[in-house]
Amino acid sequence: GESVGLHLPTLSVQEGDNSIINCAYSNSASDYFIWYKQESGKGPQFIIDIRSNMDKRQGQRVTVLLNKTVKHLSLQIAATQPGDSAVYFCAENANTGNQFYFGTGTSLTVIP
Amino acid sequence: GAVVSQHPSRVICKSGTSVKIECRSLDFQATTMFWYRQFPKQSLMLMATSNEGSKATYEQGVEKDKFLINHASLTLSTLTVTSAHPEDSSFYICSAPARGRQYTDTQYFGPGTRLTVL
Repeated sequence: GESVGLHLPTLSVQEGDNSIINCAYSNSASDYFIWYKQESGKGPQFIIDIRSNMDKRQGQRVTVLLNKTVKHLSLQIAATQPGDSAVYFCAENANTGNQFYFGTGTSLTVIP
Repeated sequence: GAVVSQHPSRVICKSGTSVKIECRSLDFQATTMFWYRQFPKQSLMLMATSNEGSKATYEQGVEKDKFLINHASLTLSTLTVTSAHPEDSSFYICSAPARGRQYTDTQYFGPGTRLTVL
């Protein structure tokens, strides 16, 4: 899989609502996935990861769902807060040298 | 968590000059590191894999003579943008795999370097 250099889709949610961010990955051989949060002018920050032997994993306020059949990942953020405003990327790894390839990303804006 | 640093955080240079960006793993060793480039409002694009003690592996379409990578130690990789031009202006980010709490080889990213070529 390769990174996609498209312009970011956007998502706006009200503070306190739940957010769902979606990602379609490209390589059916990918077996490890990470969601990253990137704030403006900063490097990506690890949020949560999941391996392909799982279809759901929960963290603090975040849940990642993996559907290998349709090569789809989602990140659910519960009770979204203004501090969650950022760009979110999924990244996939096919365990062939630790290279990670990033999806398009989604810009999340939380409305107070 | 593991910490990866980059230096400088911002650099402005004249067209035709070369710029070196450093990536360091601060509390762990990394035999491989990765360099990404990110244009405004776009995703991260993997440029190359930096291998300690051997040649870097470049992604398709990335000019190896343009983007020189040196991984001289287990904690330092450098990216040199040679003969930089305005189109090379971008946000350059490095990452290194480190053992995560539950999974191995989780990627940790540096804070990025903003390169502006005049």
